[in-house]
Amino acid sequence: GQQLNQSPQSMFIQEGEDVSMNCTSSSIFNTWLWYKQEPGEGPVLLIALYKAGELTSNGRLTAQFGITRKDSFLNISASIPSDVGIYFCAGQSSAGGTSYGKLTFGQGTILTVHP
Amino acid sequence: DGGITQSPKYLFRKEGQNVTLSCEQNLNHDAMYWYRQDPGQGLRLIYYSQIVNDFQKGDIAEGYSVSREKKESFPLTVTSAQKNPTAFYLCASSIDGNQPQHFGDGTRLSIL
Repeated sequence: GQQLNQSPQSMFIQEGEDVSMNCTSSSIFNTWLWYKQEPGEGPVLLIALYKAGELTSNGRLTAQFGITRKDSFLNISASIPSDVGIYFCAGQSSAGGTSYGKLTFGQGTILTVHP
Repeated sequence: DGGITQSPKYLFRKEGQNVTLSCEQNLNHDAMYWYRQDPGQGLRLIYYSQIVNDFQKGDIAEGYSVSREKKESFPLTVTSAQKNPTAFYLCASSIDGNQPQHFGDGTRLSIL
């Protein structure tokens, strides 16, 4: 089955630093999604990418859909303490036949920001 | 407010008991999903439903059951056949099976 490798597993950074994390897949995806999860809550959608090569920003967050459609990265610039949480990538296949667009999740990157 | 509501937030189960987790959405979404999250792991799909009165098994359906009698509701039952039920359970919905999924705030299930 499809697998996603997300790295790094965890990051400890100082406030103000930039952060970069990425996901790679053994299979092609048609959509890449990035979510953030805070303790005791559900994941919140940050950015959705629909086209190979697409670069999309949401405030201090920038994400790119890799040209090969097998990878994606997320950058956070000038980190602040409220950026703390777990960041998940997810790849989505398109529905075809009886299949829906299944989401495959990475293992998550735990981000800690020291003030 | 529009959104996805999961209840209860915390749930305790005795050995051999079935328990049902509630998920309600007022977003008029056709598709709904149940995931299980364990520490240090990504989300794993239990069941999904693309439309009312239809649902399909996900990757880890054994020991779980669902129903989709109403568009806005997708309850998950954790049966006694699920040998390791302690986990954080997340419900999600999307406009259809190809649109991004949005999540509720989860239910944490523990075994007494």
